[in-house]
Amino acid sequence: AQRVTQPEKLLSVFKGAPVELKCNYSYSGSPELFWYVQYSRQRLQLLLRHISRESIKGFTADLNKGETSFHLKKPFAQEEDSAMYYCALLTTSGTYKYIFGTGTRLKVLA
Amino acid sequence: DTGVSQDPRHKITKRGQNVTFRCDPISEHNRLYWYRQTLGQGPEFLTYFQNEAQLEKSRLLSDRFSAERPKGSFSTLEIQRTEQGDSAMYLCASSIMGLVSRGEQYFGPGTRLTVT
Repeated sequence: AQRVTQPEKLLSVFKGAPVELKCNYSYSGSPELFWYVQYSRQRLQLLLRHISRESIKGFTADLNKGETSFHLKKPFAQEEDSAMYYCALLTTSGTYKYIFGTGTRLKVLA
Repeated sequence: DTGVSQDPRHKITKRGQNVTFRCDPISEHNRLYWYRQTLGQGPEFLTYFQNEAQLEKSRLLSDRFSAERPKGSFSTLEIQRTEQGDSAMYLCASSIMGLVSRGEQYFGPGTRLTVT
């Protein structure tokens, strides 16, 4: 089965604290993983993708095929990081569709 | 080009009526996706097009739903005989799939449907 699991609906941290948003996936093929973010009153937008291996706004995510995880991390949270975060899997076998997790709301407290 | 646009932004309809939504993707984007999102859930895949060809349709989608993308440009999503369970945000996204780009999706603002 193709599935993306984000176990936390809400994560609250204080400003300056480290953040880790969890994402686990189930996919028999070669996965491509993404993190999308939705700030208040804005549309969904790409934050980062595993294939680029880049850091965006201080966030990084490493694909761990052994643990089938793609956790999003940031060492020092900022108030402007408060948003809804979605992990997404792009299927690459035959068709190219995205499977999204249920999302985690990150609240960074002052 | 100001990004993906969707029309209308809000639609209130009575149960049993038909509704049609429109999505205008970013120019030159060859892929167009439709999603449905309900409260507390992530975007749920409905269907997608490559140019004008509809390549996949979710098995969760009943035959009351139909989508088109004539000429590979804008797309429409029609829901016939709406039910209260159809109330949701309908999202459109476009991407360009090629040798270099694996397809970052650009989302529209969504159409919020309320069925009374």
